[in-house]
Amino acid sequence: GAVVSQHPSWVICKSGTSVKIECRSLDFQATTMFWYRQFPKQSLMLMATSNEGSKATYEQGVEKDKFLINHASLTLSTLTVTSAHPEDSSFYICSARDGEAFFGQGTRLTVV
Amino acid sequence: QKEVEQDPGPLSVPEGAIVSLNCTYSNSAFQYFMWYRQYSRKGPELLMYTYSSGNKEDGRFTAQVDKSSKYISLFIRDSQPSDSATYLCAMSAYVGSQGNLIFGKGTKLSVKP
Repeated sequence: GAVVSQHPSWVICKSGTSVKIECRSLDFQATTMFWYRQFPKQSLMLMATSNEGSKATYEQGVEKDKFLINHASLTLSTLTVTSAHPEDSSFYICSARDGEAFFGQGTRLTVV
Repeated sequence: QKEVEQDPGPLSVPEGAIVSLNCTYSNSAFQYFMWYRQYSRKGPELLMYTYSSGNKEDGRFTAQVDKSSKYISLFIRDSQPSDSATYLCAMSAYVGSQGNLIFGKGTKLSVKP
């Protein structure tokens, strides 16, 4: 099946710094990618829809200026967590659809 | 009422048992149904993908969709300890890249040796 690669798989950063997470579709083109956040023992919460060549669409309650999304090509979307705080610590997952949806491996972000 | 309801469990079964996982939904526009398996600290892995009503079988896994009842199921035969994971149902009204999925909360399954 199609593969979505997400990098890094885990990252620890200091409070106030920014972290960039990459999501790549390896064998298909994805005009749309999705970014999710998952808290422990909770399901996936959609944060935003990333659209190639245009602005991302954010879900209600998600801060656009804090979670910057760039979808510059048909195979790459990035999520930058700006001025990270401990409450941003979470598991972030991207996905892209090629019929069915394929997910990246997830990124465990810990802000200390 | 949430769009997708899924019992979070946990569900514990002995090895070899038949496992039944279910989701109900309220949006009659949903046409595409998926089941994902997620191990701890990993991204979800697609298990089954079905369109509209009916059954689909793949090895030990069978997915059922009953659109009239807005009810979907995943059956796991001859369950193994390696099946221990959280199972998420997901559905969408749209095919292709444009449609986001709506997820259930996930059911945590534990298969005991």
